[in-house]
Amino acid sequence: QSVLTQSLSASGTPGQRVTISCSGSSSNIGSKSVYWYQQIPGTAPKLLIYKNNQRPSGVPDRFSGSKSGTSASLAISGLRSEDEADYYCATWDASLGAWVFGGGTKLTVL
Amino acid sequence: EVQVVESGGGLVQPGGSLRLSCAASGFTFSSHWMTWVRQAPGKGLEWVANINEDGTVKQYVDSVKGRFTISRDNAENSLYLEMNSLRADDTAVYYCAREEVDSSGFDYWGQGTVVTVSS
Repeated sequence: QSVLTQSLSASGTPGQRVTISCSGSSSNIGSKSVYWYQQIPGTAPKLLIYKNNQRPSGVPDRFSGSKSGTSASLAISGLRSEDEADYYCATWDASLGAWVFGGGTKLTVL
Repeated sequence: EVQVVESGGGLVQPGGSLRLSCAASGFTFSSHWMTWVRQAPGKGLEWVANINEDGTVKQYVDSVKGRFTISRDNAENSLYLEMNSLRADDTAVYYCAREEVDSSGFDYWGQGTVVTVSS
């Protein structure tokens, strides 16, 4: 059972906009920055969003992050086949004194 | 080019020990926190431990406290994870990752090294 809750799966067709949510509590998302990672099966995770809504260089602006209260979201617009991957949210949990990840959301591009 | 490369994984019996290494290059290793993250087969990511720039601060997930020790050698640009009293549920791909300064996330990851705990 992950400290951060994500839906198991999401899907969309090419060109669509999809949103992946991440729910936490006051000791993690509610007081700390949220990060998002993309993992294509068989490969290492890749940093997609940092500090709630910032994109590292090289990440397309089709990817955007937001946070409100104890929840965060990752939005992907103009969906492409290469976006099919697992997406994880992460943050620091002050009560646990540890980084925590969501359980991951598997995105399927139909 | 920034690179982190893990090594040291393998098959070990329950109760055994293993030492993972992570060789870093292409950046000033001594200026970054470093982290270990693992992923059990078919499961999600789990943060294991991290260490600050000079090795004086070490943090662990509860499930490995007292069994795993993270360390670093800045002269050798290397990160380590000493794993003792290994259990079946420690079986995973272990990734080494750089923590970007100013809390900007785990921005560079290695390809991972596989640890299998089984008799």
